Amino acid sequence: KAGVTQTPRYLIKTRGQQVTLSCSPISGHRSVSWYQQTPGQGLQFLFEYFSETQRNKGNFPGRFSGRQFSNSRSEMNVSTLELGDSALYLCASSLLSSGGHSYEQYFGPGTRLTVT
Amino acid sequence: KQEVTQIPAALSVPEGENLVLNCSFTDSAIYNLQWFRQDPGKGLTSLLLIQSSQREQTSGRLNASLDKSSGRSTLYIAASQPGDSATYLCAVRGGVTNAGKSTFGDGTTLTVKP
Repeated sequence: KAGVTQTPRYLIKTRGQQVTLSCSPISGHRSVSWYQQTPGQGLQFLFEYFSETQRNKGNFPGRFSGRQFSNSRSEMNVSTLELGDSALYLCASSLLSSGGHSYEQYFGPGTRLTVT
Repeated sequence: KQEVTQIPAALSVPEGENLVLNCSFTDSAIYNLQWFRQDPGKGLTSLLLIQSSQREQTSGRLNASLDKSSGRSTLYIAASQPGDSATYLCAVRGGVTNAGKSTFGDGTTLTVKP
């Protein structure tokens, strides 16, 4: 089974621009979560999608948004980029139990975003 | 708000030593706890998942325990090897005020010296 894939792997953008990152989950996984990892803040939860609906959201400004498509692929968008948005953006996919609880999360390799 | 703490922040041991990494969390109403390893500049590799109803999980030289009531988990690594050098992260999912979110600790950076 193919793992979680993320594109692009590396990205350099300028302040004020916007960016879209893509994540393809493991086949059969319908839950996709996004995280931001920085040296200062560690790994922080951005949002989780299931069946094209946002189930949970972290404490990030509205400039951070996402969506999920019917094939479970997900995208996240950051508008009006700031220097502080430079980070490794990680996507994870998982199965869900009948009760809606997530099982093991599998992570992609991440997208390294640098904002100059 | 769920908070996850990992102690120690860094650990250096000689090859062959057994070691324990610690993870504590403030909200005990979790769905599960997962241990990961991360190599520099890479994504996270899942090591062990413990559901809230379980007390421990084992995989090879790794054993993870969970004590929900005290808000603690430990990752035991037996007979450490240089290839075990990485940052180890624990993540808790869910909780009364967290509705299915995952909260990560800052990790323990392990160095195993040959």
